[in-house]
Amino acid sequence: GAGVSQSPSNKVTEKGKDVELRCDPISGHTALYWYRQSLGQGLEFLIYFQGNSAPDKSGLPSDRFSAERTGGSVSTLTIQRTQQEDSAVYLCASSLGRTYNSPLHFGNGTRLTVT
Amino acid sequence: EDKVVQSPLSLVVHEGDTVTLNCSYEVTNFRSLLWYKQEKKAPTFLFMLTSSGIEKKSGRLSSILDKKELFSILNITATQTGDSAVYLCAVEASDTGTASKLTFGTGTRLQVTL
Repeated sequence: GAGVSQSPSNKVTEKGKDVELRCDPISGHTALYWYRQSLGQGLEFLIYFQGNSAPDKSGLPSDRFSAERTGGSVSTLTIQRTQQEDSAVYLCASSLGRTYNSPLHFGNGTRLTVT
Repeated sequence: EDKVVQSPLSLVVHEGDTVTLNCSYEVTNFRSLLWYKQEKKAPTFLFMLTSSGIEKKSGRLSSILDKKELFSILNITATQTGDSAVYLCAVEASDTGTASKLTFGTGTRLQVTL
């Protein structure tokens, strides 16, 4: 497809369960980002992948959060033992990365609700 | 810590009005400032600004950056109801010469009424 694709679009889970969120970036984009947007809040950086380099995990809020990017393309964000405060919209974005003037292109996000 | 502050937080105008949205920042190793429009879902890219004083324009929208005073403005002229959205400002900073994470402001919520 032409844009960043995320799945599922909505996820409702019980507190304590694990969830996996998927992101398929734009073809050819080497940089991939995960952000979190809570109700009424700005976008909070979580993690950034650039090519084969070690990811920048500095935004992950706890060790319950992890992310992988396989083959330099699809990424999965995993949240273990979900808590109610994890409820948010999780946005993935990709860009051309090392090209200087390369804006991020966002997917439609996954709305996660932890009950 | 990098910081991006947007004002006003929200704004209600009548169709046809002109609006100015503000974004100020404090970052180390500034590279670029970006504006996004967010309606229901994905933020959509509007402008990327890297140089001071050069206006970027797209239809009724325009933006300019002042790297000395560390701010940017987004102008929308002859507003339409379709302009109603949250406008996000983000700043990219990097000391490695490669693309790095963006720091976002909390956004300005614009509502355009008939």
